[in-house]
Amino acid sequence: EAGVVQSPRYKIIEKKQPVAFWCNPISGHNTLYWYLQNLGQGPELLIRYENEEAVDDSQLPKDRFSAERLKGVDSTLKIQPAELGDSAVYLCASSLEENTEAFFGQGTRLTVV
Amino acid sequence: GENVEQHPSTLSVQEGDSAVIKCTYSDSASNYFPWYKQELGKRPQLIIDIRSNVGEKKDQRIAVTLNKTAKHFSLHITETQPEDSAVYFCAARSNYQLIWGAGTKLIIKP
Repeated sequence: EAGVVQSPRYKIIEKKQPVAFWCNPISGHNTLYWYLQNLGQGPELLIRYENEEAVDDSQLPKDRFSAERLKGVDSTLKIQPAELGDSAVYLCASSLEENTEAFFGQGTRLTVV
Repeated sequence: GENVEQHPSTLSVQEGDSAVIKCTYSDSASNYFPWYKQELGKRPQLIIDIRSNVGEKKDQRIAVTLNKTAKHFSLHITETQPEDSAVYFCAARSNYQLIWGAGTKLIIKP
């Protein structure tokens, strides 16, 4: 069975440009998370979905970040416009339910120049 | 809200020796404590977890202990091997949100 799949693996963009990341969670997993990880730090939650509903987006900078999870399966995370400080690894994770093990994707390494 | 502190930030041990990483948390309502291993450039992977109704859990060379009264939990790796070199993260789940420690870089010296 495939794990959590993210694309692209790497993305380099100029500041002020838009960027989007895609995540396909493990089949049957209702809970989906988007995390941001800076070098040398632990992941920080951006948003958590239960099926198609965003149940925790308190840490999502809503002025420039947006996310959606259509039909409660795949999810996209968008940044518009990107800033230099957005350079980080964006990790997607999924779990069967809220209180069970979370499985991570390989992440998308974003570099804003 | 929950706050998780992890120590040390870097740990260097001789191959074959044991390694211990400690974490403290602030929210007494936290009920799930996973440990993740992240190798350079790779995804975090769960290596062991413990729930608040258990004091200790072991899986081969890895064990986790939880002291709810003191609000701290520890990861123990025995007979360390070169492939144990990685960054280890503890986390605590509070109100369905997973709060992560800052990570410990474990270095296994040959």
